Amino acid sequence: NAGVTQTPKFQVLKTGQSMTLQCAQDMNHEYMSWYRQDPGMGLRLIHYSVGAGITDQGEVPNGYNVSRSTTEDFPLRLLSAAPSQTSVYFCASSYSILDRGNTIYFGEGSWLTVV
Amino acid sequence: AQSVTQPDIHITVSEGASLELRCNYSYGATPYLFWYVQSPGQGLQLLLKYFSGDTLVQGIKGFEAEFKRSQSSFNLRKPSVHWSDAAEYFCAIYSGAGSYQLTFGKGTKLSVIP
Repeated sequence: NAGVTQTPKFQVLKTGQSMTLQCAQDMNHEYMSWYRQDPGMGLRLIHYSVGAGITDQGEVPNGYNVSRSTTEDFPLRLLSAAPSQTSVYFCASSYSILDRGNTIYFGEGSWLTVV
Repeated sequence: AQSVTQPDIHITVSEGASLELRCNYSYGATPYLFWYVQSPGQGLQLLLKYFSGDTLVQGIKGFEAEFKRSQSSFNLRKPSVHWSDAAEYFCAIYSGAGSYQLTFGKGTKLSVIP
């Protein structure tokens, strides 16, 4: 049981390049999400999914795209990287809605720098 | 909408001293509250959570938190800090009935003086 696995851990991109951050979980969780963490801002929700084929926007979705073709995987795509997307990205998952006592589990993070 | 405030951006304590990290929330119903810790260069680890019942919650690594509805607070405490507790601490609130989302505070960075 690996939990929530993110790749890559570190990445440097040039402005305008595209890339995909991978996220996989092996806990059969229906809910997955992506957050970004910026200094002094805490974590902010980018996109989330409540099951395969279902995605929705969070607080800061612009410049990012997601899809959920399987329960296990939830990739985050940067369409045209900008310096403002320099951040630490966290993938998270949970079994179900939180008011049933569930917990959100986080991946180790992906450090992205856009130059 | 719900929100979380962590009033202290940075706290420095001596090793062995007691610690209290403040968290205030705004939410119209009974909240579900969490504390996460992030060590430098690492991901987020759940320290403890409050859903219902006893308002004093015990967590991992010797941490505890007390939910006080009258003060809209969920402060994190530890009686004796260790150097390895140096990290950033995030308070988070569950974003509403039927939701999967957490709303985070901006974090408190803890430095420990040997």
